[in-house]
Amino acid sequence: DARVTQTPRHKVTEMGQEVTMRCQPILGHNTVFWYRQTMMQGLELLAYFRNRAPLDDSGMPKDRFSAEMPDATLATLKIQPSEPRDSAVYFCASGLVRDGTLVQETQYFGPGTRLLVL
Amino acid sequence: KQEVTQIPAALSVPEGENLVLNCSFTDSAIYNLQWFRQDPGKGLTSLLLIQSSQREQTSGRLNASLDKSSGRSTLYIAASQPGDSATYLCAPLMNRDDKIIFGKGTRLHILP
Repeated sequence: DARVTQTPRHKVTEMGQEVTMRCQPILGHNTVFWYRQTMMQGLELLAYFRNRAPLDDSGMPKDRFSAEMPDATLATLKIQPSEPRDSAVYFCASGLVRDGTLVQETQYFGPGTRLLVL
Repeated sequence: KQEVTQIPAALSVPEGENLVLNCSFTDSAIYNLQWFRQDPGKGLTSLLLIQSSQREQTSGRLNASLDKSSGRSTLYIAASQPGDSATYLCAPLMNRDDKIIFGKGTRLHILP
């Protein structure tokens, strides 16, 4: 049963601390998405990668957020320094794109990391 | 820029009723449109996907329709059950491999 996994599931931290969230995409998927969900804004795309290369990170505050894919099985989203307004649920999703098209035409979502910055 | 609106934002109905969730989008140049379900504290599950060339898709008690030219989609749930309680999100995909734009969802509560 292939699933996207995310760690940690919950994180409480103090303002100014570094936060690192990890995502393991479904094996074989070559596209990874990071989303942030809040009550006010809903689901927003922060960044996405294809074959480990960043394609679009325009939704991400660049001064404090960074996203990387050290290898094909791991994606990370880092916030440094964290602020209370970063409190949200962060979702990772993965998909398979071939010849410019989502092969299964959908994304598979992880369970999310619920972040609270005090 | 694509904007997706879902109406109503929240809905409570007694079990057994048929109901309709509405979605509108501002840019009709979509590749496909999906309806997702999100349970509290969980991720998203894709329910139905409609290609831009299709008018509707059905899965069990769910039926999704798409009118691309008017920028509208509806999700019809027949004979609602308490297990249908969740948030339903409408999400058009703009290009063949571009990002999905989500609406803010309709929170549905089915009363036993």
